[in-house]
Amino acid sequence: GNSVTQMEGPVTLSEEAFLTINCTYTATGYPSLFWYVQYPGEGLQLLLKATKADDKGSNKGFEATYRKETTSFHLEKGSVQVSDSAVYFCALQMDSSYKLIFGSGTRLLVRP
Amino acid sequence: DTGVSQDPRHKITKRGQNVTFRCDPISEHNRLYWYRQTLGQGPEFLTYFQNEAQLEKSRLLSDRFSAERPKGSFSTLEIQRTEQGDSAMYLCASSLVDWGETQYFGPGTRLLVL
Repeated sequence: GNSVTQMEGPVTLSEEAFLTINCTYTATGYPSLFWYVQYPGEGLQLLLKATKADDKGSNKGFEATYRKETTSFHLEKGSVQVSDSAVYFCALQMDSSYKLIFGSGTRLLVRP
Repeated sequence: DTGVSQDPRHKITKRGQNVTFRCDPISEHNRLYWYRQTLGQGPEFLTYFQNEAQLEKSRLLSDRFSAERPKGSFSTLEIQRTEQGDSAMYLCASSLVDWGETQYFGPGTRLLVL
């Protein structure tokens, strides 16, 4: 079946460090791909998305590129801030079903 | 636009009791989704509606779970004869029909079954 695998956390970085959170997917077909973020005490928010191969989603300094050949959608940011501390979820959506299929989440902790 | 709202935010109940949660989507959104999230996991899909029609249900949704969206606006999720394993965060999301559509999530209802 369709699924998403994320790197396990927590990921602990110092402020201004480079961030990569790995996400790979398994899907029968060509899904849309998403990154959602959950800040402490808040609900899930869409961070960025990409709907087809080679698309790059970007928002708030975060980027992710839809790589069909490696079935990946890794999240990157050049310089993290303490305020980026949150749980990040990778998700896919097939055109045959509009539900989101999430990975298990990666907790990011950024230290000053 | 006030976003997706859910009520109650927290619910504590005893095993065997029935509980009902409400979700109010963003006003012009015609799709509404329910998900369940347990500690340390990503949300898992339960069911979704397009307008008032329930179009898909997960195998996770046992016979004790029922969801409605009677007028295509708000939705309710009822759990009958709750079990301790039902303890989780129940999330609602809404969206407009669109390719690569964005689902907007509510704050969730945290259920604890004692």
